[in-house]
Amino acid sequence: RKEVEQDPGPFNVPEGATVAFNCTYSNSASQSFFWYRQDCRKEPKLLMSVYSSGNEDGRFTAQLNRASQYISLLIRDSKLSDSATYLCVVNSDSWGKLQFGAGTQVVVTP
Amino acid sequence: DGGITQSPKYLFRKEGQNVTLSCEQNLNHDAMYWYRQDPGQGLRLIYYSQIVNDFQKGDIAEGYSVSREKKESFPLTVTSAQKNPTAFYLCASRTGVDEQYFGPGTRLTVT
Repeated sequence: RKEVEQDPGPFNVPEGATVAFNCTYSNSASQSFFWYRQDCRKEPKLLMSVYSSGNEDGRFTAQLNRASQYISLLIRDSKLSDSATYLCVVNSDSWGKLQFGAGTQVVVTP
Repeated sequence: DGGITQSPKYLFRKEGQNVTLSCEQNLNHDAMYWYRQDPGQGLRLIYYSQIVNDFQKGDIAEGYSVSREKKESFPLTVTSAQKNPTAFYLCASRTGVDEQYFGPGTRLTVT
């Protein structure tokens, strides 16, 4: 079983709509969680960290469910520029060895 | 401007040749990392270094080597022993908290 699993998608989303997707992780001792965004053939860029209480950054909301071992990302009022692959990232040790999911592709259409 | 640079952006080599990928950062980060990404897969850790003159193997270190002689630099050598070297290679560094920041990557093609 992979340490971090994501639905690969694609999630085809009309512009202006809301899309949400989850990521599950296997290590219950995981301490830090992140969402990164990766555009085609580019490097991943940090979108947001995920805090225990949940957090929001503009149109993006991240939630953590430790009991069920998943994190979620919700994008409201989707823009064409939100089209990308979203990587779920989990840090399970103090050395910064991050575990990456394979990514969820989001395609926002006009 | 502070950041992480990787060069070259594209690299082509013949099978059996060693090749070294460059990674430089001027962010004053202590920790640096090398990842490999294959199509449709997540990033996999090759090597990481927490401090100068020290580094540890990641999950897929076989066929690769690194050095960390300076804080700013963490070059990766892909040796001829690496069976499937064609991939997108990403270098990252870490702040005092958990987030890692990535360089633009090097696409290596070995034929």
